[in-house]
Amino acid sequence: DIQMTQSPSTLSASVGDRVTITCRASQSISNWLAWYQQKPGKAPKLLIYRASSLESEVPSRFSGSESGTEFTLTISSLQPDDFATYYCQQYNSYPWTFGQGTKVEIK
Amino acid sequence: QVQLVESGGGVVQPERSLRLSCAFSGFYSTSYTIHWVRQAPARGLEWVTSISNGGHNQHYADSVKGRFTISRDNSKSTMYLEMSSLRIEDTAVYYCASRRDCSGGICYGLDSWGQGTLVTVSS
Repeated sequence: DIQMTQSPSTLSASVGDRVTITCRASQSISNWLAWYQQKPGKAPKLLIYRASSLESEVPSRFSGSESGTEFTLTISSLQPDDFATYYCQQYNSYPWTFGQGTKVEIK
Repeated sequence: QVQLVESGGGVVQPERSLRLSCAFSGFYSTSYTIHWVRQAPARGLEWVTSISNGGHNQHYADSVKGRFTISRDNSKSTMYLEMSSLRIEDTAVYYCASRRDCSGGICYGLDSWGQGTLVTVSS
């Protein structure tokens, strides 16, 4: 199975900060990687697919990039609504696997 | 707009069985694969299983293989997850999620989710 290693596990930041979350795959997944945002008690929400494609109606401050097996989610200017937990997920091959999650907290 | 509604969660004893349902709507002119993703209390997301639009292709996580069975009845717009030999560690919120099939070489993430249904395995 492909392992997804996400870092950091927790991130403290202020409104307006630029935030970066990293996800590393244990083997090549091409660019079949998605990013999700989850708020407490709610279902996850798709933000990014195919490593860097922005899902419809997701604000443009969210962006994704890739370099080999390392993937990055960037929030260019953190907004109050962005405090949540973020997960990466590979869908290159079954079983699909998620990263452990990154909780973005208010500093 | 795709809508997914899970039902069937509850409290069940270890080694017993339970069936979850996911009613879906809004799949117009596009094929969708439907998935189950679970989240144990205060834990991360775990992909569980998926079924193709026609129901012929299923995949399972190793943790549930041989115990869980996914199926779908498109005439009833419902997908099912039969869970047997339940374990304490199967306790989780179970989400139904969908992904539109790949098109033009582009494959998407899980773009629609239900609200989740809680399964508690306890004696």
